[in-house]
Amino acid sequence: GAGVSQSPSNKVTEKGKDVELRCDPISGHTALYWYRQSLGQGLEFLIYFQGNSAPDKSGLPSDRFSAERTGGSVSTLTIQRTQQEDSAVYLCASSSGDRGNIQYFGAGTRLSVL
Amino acid sequence: AQSVTQLGSHVSVSEGALVLLRCNYSSSVPPYLFWYVQYPNQGLQLLLKYTSAATLVKGINGFEAEFKKSETSFHLTKPSAHMSDAAEYFCAVSEQGGSEKLVFGKGTKLTVNP
Repeated sequence: GAGVSQSPSNKVTEKGKDVELRCDPISGHTALYWYRQSLGQGLEFLIYFQGNSAPDKSGLPSDRFSAERTGGSVSTLTIQRTQQEDSAVYLCASSSGDRGNIQYFGAGTRLSVL
Repeated sequence: AQSVTQLGSHVSVSEGALVLLRCNYSSSVPPYLFWYVQYPNQGLQLLLKYTSAATLVKGINGFEAEFKKSETSFHLTKPSAHMSDAAEYFCAVSEQGGSEKLVFGKGTKLTVNP
C-alpha cells in the first residue's frame, strides 16, 4: 500500500481481555517497529523486527505483551489480560533500512481498557 | 543510553513570527536526529533528518534545523509561522547500528495565534 496501515483505529476492551493490533507496513520495507504513545510516558519503543525476527524486544513492558511478523510483512501486537495502564495509542512504523533509517508511521490504534 | 530533551512542552507564537523549538540530545555514538510532526488523531510525519552530511538541514513546510555537536542541540526553526503549523512536534534520536529504534523527546505543542 501507499503507507503504513493499522487496524483497528480504535479498540475498546474490558480489563482482563486479550487484544490484537495489526500493522501492515509499506511494501518492501524490511524493518518494522512498534511504539506506544501515552500521556504519562510519551512515545516509547516496544519492539523491532528485521524481516520476521525480532532482535530487539527490549521495550516490551511485561510478558503480557508479544508480537509477531509473518511473511516479512504484516505484524500483530498482542496484549493479554489487558490492564487499564495499557490504555494508549499504539503506533507502528516501517523502514527500508536506508541510511538514516527514516521510519514511516501509521495513524495508530487507540486502545481504551475499561 | 540515548536521550532527548525538548525544552517547553507548549510554545505559542503569532502568525508570521519566528518558530523556535528546542531539542538537546545525548548519545554515545554519532547520532541520527529527526524532527517529526503530529497533527491531531494522526500518526507522525517526518519533517527532516540529520545523518551527518550537512549540519543545516532543510525539511518540509519551510522548517529547518541545525546540528550543533558542541551544544548537543538540534533546534527546529521556521522564519514565519502559519496557522497550519499548529501541531505537536517531536525530536528523536537513533544510534547508528543495531535496531536504530527512535528515542523521542516529550514533545512540544505549538499554538499559532492569528
